[in-house]
Order: sequence, then C-alpha cells, then structure tokens
Amino acid sequence: NAGVTQTPKFQVLKTGQSMTLQCAQDMNHEYMSWYRQDPGMGLRLIHYSVGAGITDQGEVPNGYNVSRSTTEDFPLRLLSAAPSQTSVYFCASTRRAGSSYEQYFGPGTRLTVT
Amino acid sequence: GDSVTQMEGPVTLSEEAFLTINCTYTATGYPSLFWYVQYPGEGLQLLLKATKADDKGSNKGFEATYRKETTSFHLEKGSVQVSDSAVYFCALNLNYQAGTALIFGKGTTLSVSS
Repeated sequence: NAGVTQTPKFQVLKTGQSMTLQCAQDMNHEYMSWYRQDPGMGLRLIHYSVGAGITDQGEVPNGYNVSRSTTEDFPLRLLSAAPSQTSVYFCASTRRAGSSYEQYFGPGTRLTVT
Repeated sequence: GDSVTQMEGPVTLSEEAFLTINCTYTATGYPSLFWYVQYPGEGLQLLLKATKADDKGSNKGFEATYRKETTSFHLEKGSVQVSDSAVYFCALNLNYQAGTALIFGKGTTLSVSS
C-alpha cells in the first residue's frame, strides 16, 4: 500500500491563479480530510468527506472547494489563490480502530502564493 | 468550544534526559486523545492514543495517560534520543464525528542534543 499520496510536493502560485491539490489513498478508507498547517497554529481542518459524494466544511473552508467522486480521491481546489493561503496542506484518511478512529496523513504540499 | 492546549516550545534537552510535554483539553463529549509526531519535512504520524479515562497509550518509549479528572494527556519519555527531535502535536477527536475532525494543539518542538 502506498498509503496517502499528495501531489505536487511544492507549488508557487500568483495571486488570482487557480489550482488543484491532489490526494489519493489506497486503503479503502471512507473518511478523508484536508488540513492546513501554519506556524504556531497547529493543523486546522478545511474540508472533510465521510464517503463518495459527501463532503462538509471544517474550521477554515473559505477559498477552497472539494469534491469526492470516488473513495480513493479527494482533491482540494483553490479557485482564486490569495497570499493568506500560503501554507502547508495535508490530506488525511481515517480508519475505524476499535472504538475510535485513526488518521493517516500524506506527506504534504507546500504552497506559496505571491 | 472544544480545544487542545499544549505547552509552548521549543523544548531543548540533552540525550537521555526525561521528557514531559503537557497537554490539556476542553471537550463537551467523551473524546479520544492522540499524540502525533512530525519529523522535519514529513507528514504527521500517529505516536499513541487513548480512547477512555485512565487508558495509557504507549509507543517507542513514549507514554501518555488519559486523565479525565484533570482533562490532561501529558506525553512522557524516560530517556530521549537525538532521533526524537521533532514537533509533537496533541489532538482530540469526538467519536460521534466519526473520525473526521481532529482538533490539534499548536505543537511543541523538541530538540535533543548529544
């Protein structure tokens, strides 16, 4: 199993450009999430999905769109990039583990918006 | 709202020193508690977890006990190594949200010197 994969690893955008961050998992997990990590802020939830065709907003959803057409893929779209979206983005998938859940993280995408 | 507070770093120790990283939480339900570790340039990895009061999670010499009376989940290790240098995140998950919403502390950077 490759686990959770993310592409690209690094990206530089100009303000106003759009792009899609890719995330895929091969563990057949139903639940997937996107987080952003900023210095001194920990990780904050952007959007999440509880299964194909079902998504919902997290703590910081503004400026981002998601869709979930398959179990494996959960892309994150930036429609019009802003400098405030400069961050490291992590995708995670979740498995049931007994009475709780465990999240598995991808390696991250470092995005800079100029 | 639900939140996690962990001690601010950086924490600087010599090899073989004792480590404690404090973590307290606020939650309306009965959360599962986690410690994640992030090595430089990598994603987050689950270090240990506890799902109910008085549970002790342990892994790689690290331990943490779920204390409901003090709403705490402090991370400890008896003898740290240089390879333990990383950022450590305390997190909680409210089980009824089906694992989709991990709430993270801001992270504590540990630096161990030989």
